[in-house]
Amino acid sequence: DVVMTQSPLSLPVTLGQPASISCRSSQSLVYIDGVTLLHWFQQRPGQSPRRLIARVSDRESGVPDRFSGSGSGTVFTLHITSVEAEDVGVYYCMQGTHWPFTFGQGTKLEIK
Amino acid sequence: EVQLVESGGGLVQPGGSLRLSCVGSGFNFRTYWMSWVRQAPGQGLEWVTYINPDGSETFYVDSVRGRFTISRDNARNSMYLQMTSLRAEDTALYFCTRAPRNLDFWGQGALVTVSS
Repeated sequence: DVVMTQSPLSLPVTLGQPASISCRSSQSLVYIDGVTLLHWFQQRPGQSPRRLIARVSDRESGVPDRFSGSGSGTVFTLHITSVEAEDVGVYYCMQGTHWPFTFGQGTKLEIK
Repeated sequence: EVQLVESGGGLVQPGGSLRLSCVGSGFNFRTYWMSWVRQAPGQGLEWVTYINPDGSETFYVDSVRGRFTISRDNARNSMYLQMTSLRAEDTALYFCTRAPRNLDFWGQGALVTVSS
């Protein structure tokens, strides 16, 4: 199975400061059509996860532009330019290239 | 608006069975691959299974293969998860999700508790 390793697992951030989460995969995530199926999800307390970033860097409609994704091959990053209170929650990366699809362990973002 | 609504969760004894349902609306259900993802209390997300649009192909993670069965009824815009031989470690919130390789929409989840 493809192992997805996130870091850090805990991320205390001061309001207005930037933050980033790393996600590394144990194999390349390039699918047969050439697209890299690496996505980022946000799970706020008590809510279902929602997709923030699709296919490495495509921001979902309605997601603030302070969120962005980057990376290629096996190394990916979720960036937040200026953390706001509503960003508190757990962030997961997920690969949809190799079955079984797999999630990272999750990174808990909290406000310092 | 895309909506996925799960039902059928509850408390079941170890070794028992339960069937979850998911009804999709706001999109052409019969053209989408669909899936189930679960989350044990206080834990991360775990893949369970997915199914192709006409129901002819199914995929399972090793921990549920042979015990869980995914199916769908496109006429009812519905997907199902039949769970048998349930174990304590199957206790989780089960999410109905769309487009397995992309997971673009999630339901609110159905809680399954396996306990005596």
